[in-house]
Amino acid sequence: NAGVTQTPKFQVLKTGQSMTLQCAQDMNHEYMSWYRQDPGMGLRLIHYSVGAGITDQGEVPNGYNVSRSTTEDFPLRLLSAAPSQTSVYFCASSPDSRTLTPEAFFGQGTRLTVV
Amino acid sequence: AQSVTQLGSHVSVSEGALVLLRCNYSSSVPPYLFWYVQYPNQGLQLLLKYTTGATLVKGINGFEAEFKKSETSFHLTKPSAHMSDAAEYFCAVTGGRRGGSNYKLTFGKGTLLTVNP
Repeated sequence: NAGVTQTPKFQVLKTGQSMTLQCAQDMNHEYMSWYRQDPGMGLRLIHYSVGAGITDQGEVPNGYNVSRSTTEDFPLRLLSAAPSQTSVYFCASSPDSRTLTPEAFFGQGTRLTVV
Repeated sequence: AQSVTQLGSHVSVSEGALVLLRCNYSSSVPPYLFWYVQYPNQGLQLLLKYTTGATLVKGINGFEAEFKKSETSFHLTKPSAHMSDAAEYFCAVTGGRRGGSNYKLTFGKGTLLTVNP
């Protein structure tokens, strides 16, 4: 029972490099989201998806791209890494709000440092 | 639109003392409310949730919270703190059943709980 799996757990990038953070869930949830966590800021929504082929921007989308070709996977791409993107990134999945268990499930996070 | 305010970025209690972490929210529709806990270098784990029905909800590890609509609050309590409760706690809100926005959690900034021996 894996839940939400994120890879890698740690990553160091140089400014200007690109990379993809992977996220996969095995709970058949419709909704998936990416958040970034910065000290004193809580978690802020980057992008989200309400189903395969449907994505939209959250609160802090600049510098990130997403796609959702399958229900299970929701990768986050950093196009040209900047030091301001140093953060901890969390992927989450959740079922439709009309279920009895509408809560989001989170991955273990990816700690990204951009130098 | 929703927002969450957690009063106190850092709360320190003695082992065995009452834990009270405050959360106030705003929402234009009946909300769903959540408390998550994050231990160092780990992901977020659900402590408890309010969706509908009973306003006093019980969660894991002896925590509970009460939804007070008139006060727009969802404070988290535990009668007796344990050393293992030391962690960061996040209150979060979504638009609930009518809001249909279960994919968009709005978080508070978090409260770091320290438990002193």
